[in-house]
Amino acid sequence: DAGITQSPRHKVTETGTPVTLRCHQTENHRYMYWYRQDPGHGLRLIHYSYGVKDTDKGEVSDGYSVSRSKTEDFLLTLESATSSQTSVYFCAIRSGTGAYGYTFGSGTRLTVV
Amino acid sequence: GQQLNQSPQSMFIQEGEDVSMNCTSSSIFNTWLWYKQDPGEGPVLLIALYKAGELTSNGRLTAQFGITRKDSFLNISASIPSDVGIYFCAVPYSGGGADGLTFGKGTHLIIQP
Repeated sequence: DAGITQSPRHKVTETGTPVTLRCHQTENHRYMYWYRQDPGHGLRLIHYSYGVKDTDKGEVSDGYSVSRSKTEDFLLTLESATSSQTSVYFCAIRSGTGAYGYTFGSGTRLTVV
Repeated sequence: GQQLNQSPQSMFIQEGEDVSMNCTSSSIFNTWLWYKQDPGEGPVLLIALYKAGELTSNGRLTAQFGITRKDSFLNISASIPSDVGIYFCAVPYSGGGADGLTFGKGTHLIIQP
């Protein structure tokens, strides 16, 4: 196992509340990613990080922010959750260069009611 | 952004049948990847292709990198129940210095007993 843990695995929250999802890795990889998966859309990149305090936007970053204060943790925050953010969120790491290096966590299922 | 058109969207087959799916794009890529996602889990890399025309096998799975570099194909021979899941094509994101993978929308494989 690549040592990626996502928490929580499931969460139900109300519209307008802040939500933070956590991705924790144990292997000291530099690159970490947040994706969301929705039916009919595949996986879409939200934000990624290329080092501590170094982050950048992906394809669907509106409404999300991220932080990486330690190598091992990459946090995804929904400042004010909306129903359109109901989704399954996956964290991934990339070990070194090359396409072989991407490993995904088991996901967080978020429901905004 | 770069878009991958993956088809078919879903497949209902009998155990033992062969399966074919493909991914096309209007853009040229230097790498094509195929992932499988089991229910409740993140995607797992099946095959990576790095060269136009390349044909690569992984057990009963065979993938090809199209000669035009705009498409890729995945075949599964003699399907078994554990082949059930969602199959995604993916390419490294290119453009504006961004990172991560762009995914197709997935092919949902369902095997009928």
